[in-house]
Amino acid sequence: SQQGEEDPQALSIQEGENATMNCSYKTSINNLQWYRQNSGRGLVHLILIRSNEREKHSGRLRVTLDTSKKSSSLLITASRAADTASYFCATDQYSGAGSYQLTFGKGTKLSVIP
Amino acid sequence: DAGITQSPRHKVTETGTPVTLRCHQTENHRYMYWYRQDPGHGLRLIHYSYGVKDTDKGEVSDGYSVSRSKTEDFLLTLESATSSQTSVYFCAISDRQVEAEQFFGPGTRLTVL
Repeated sequence: SQQGEEDPQALSIQEGENATMNCSYKTSINNLQWYRQNSGRGLVHLILIRSNEREKHSGRLRVTLDTSKKSSSLLITASRAADTASYFCATDQYSGAGSYQLTFGKGTKLSVIP
Repeated sequence: DAGITQSPRHKVTETGTPVTLRCHQTENHRYMYWYRQDPGHGLRLIHYSYGVKDTDKGEVSDGYSVSRSKTEDFLLTLESATSSQTSVYFCAISDRQVEAEQFFGPGTRLTVL
């Protein structure tokens, strides 16, 4: 079953603006990850935030996690045309018998207009 | 793409025929995964492997089987393809299961007519 749900489904901004995407999930998690997918390509890992962390930065990316609200946000600052892609959150959960699985959301499609 | 290849990259087949997709890695990672990606559903886990000959089911395993006889190869088989299995299939690998980023292959686009 889908765990993470991204919002909005699609986002269009001008180059140089900031882009914010949100992810909500339903059950407790071990950590949450964000991935990017360029059209026709495989997913690429962007950042991982642990359940005991509230904020994490990587270059122009800022991720926040609010476990009380079961939500995360991904902020891309000073966007570039090359940031045009789909962005997915994925929650890392214990699935029993010593096994952990990543469950992906449906993604936010970001378009950055030059 | 971190040393992961998938073959074939595109395939068109007919309902009822068997299909095998191959994932090959050169990273010597222990864990390998098969996902399918469909519009409106995101990525869903089909099967995964935690070692040679060790596999387990994911969320959407019905109609699929897997095998892993070597560390570097993970095969996904559709015993009798159906139109509902038309999808883009991604293989992924990771070196551990907890707090691990997954590295994805380029995908295989499968069309079942």
